[in-house]
Amino acid sequence: AQTVTQSQPEMSVQEAETVTLSCTYDTSENNYYLFWYKQPPSRQMILVIRQEAYKQQNATENRFSVNFQKAAKSFSLKISDSQLGDTAMYFCAFHSTLYALNFGKGTSLLVTP
Amino acid sequence: NAGVTQTPKFQVLKTGQSMTLQCAQDMNHNSMYWYRQDPGMGLRLIYYSASEGTTDKGEVPNGYNVSRLNKREFSLRLESAAPSQTSVYFCASRVEGTGVGGQYFGPGTRLTVT
Repeated sequence: AQTVTQSQPEMSVQEAETVTLSCTYDTSENNYYLFWYKQPPSRQMILVIRQEAYKQQNATENRFSVNFQKAAKSFSLKISDSQLGDTAMYFCAFHSTLYALNFGKGTSLLVTP
Repeated sequence: NAGVTQTPKFQVLKTGQSMTLQCAQDMNHNSMYWYRQDPGMGLRLIYYSASEGTTDKGEVPNGYNVSRLNKREFSLRLESAAPSQTSVYFCASRVEGTGVGGQYFGPGTRLTVT
């Protein structure tokens, strides 16, 4: 079974600073996909960024980037130039070709002025 | 293009009552999912449907049934609600093929069972 672990229940960062959220996962599969989802107070789940395991290049979406270390089974999210609107729960998720998403328990990020 | 829609947004039930949560997507996705979200637990899969006419159990299926009515609609039914089913329920659908694009989620239904 695949498991996803987010070891930081809460984090705080000042506006315009950079923050990194950690995620590790466990799987015996070789082909899979990793995602970061953002859930603001509105409760809507918003896809932030995705990474295919077969791609060595780290994914980037504007201020969001990942550090994907396949051998270490690590998938961290870096948010640059943090904005107040980045305040949200962030969920790391794993998707194999066989099944649905497995989610971590989330990291609550607070961006302060 | 509305994406994934869910009804109702909020619901309060008494123990033992039944209800159906509705979900529809207009993106022509084959796969659809139902998750529940509890505090400190992340999202857990209840049931999923890989295509019209097929459904499979997820991690926490007990107390629920599903129907994949057609390609667009995937409903979740609670036959006899229990307080342990108090949760926020999300429906999602998925892009398929090479380059999985992740799942698209509805806005959620907050259900309280008293």
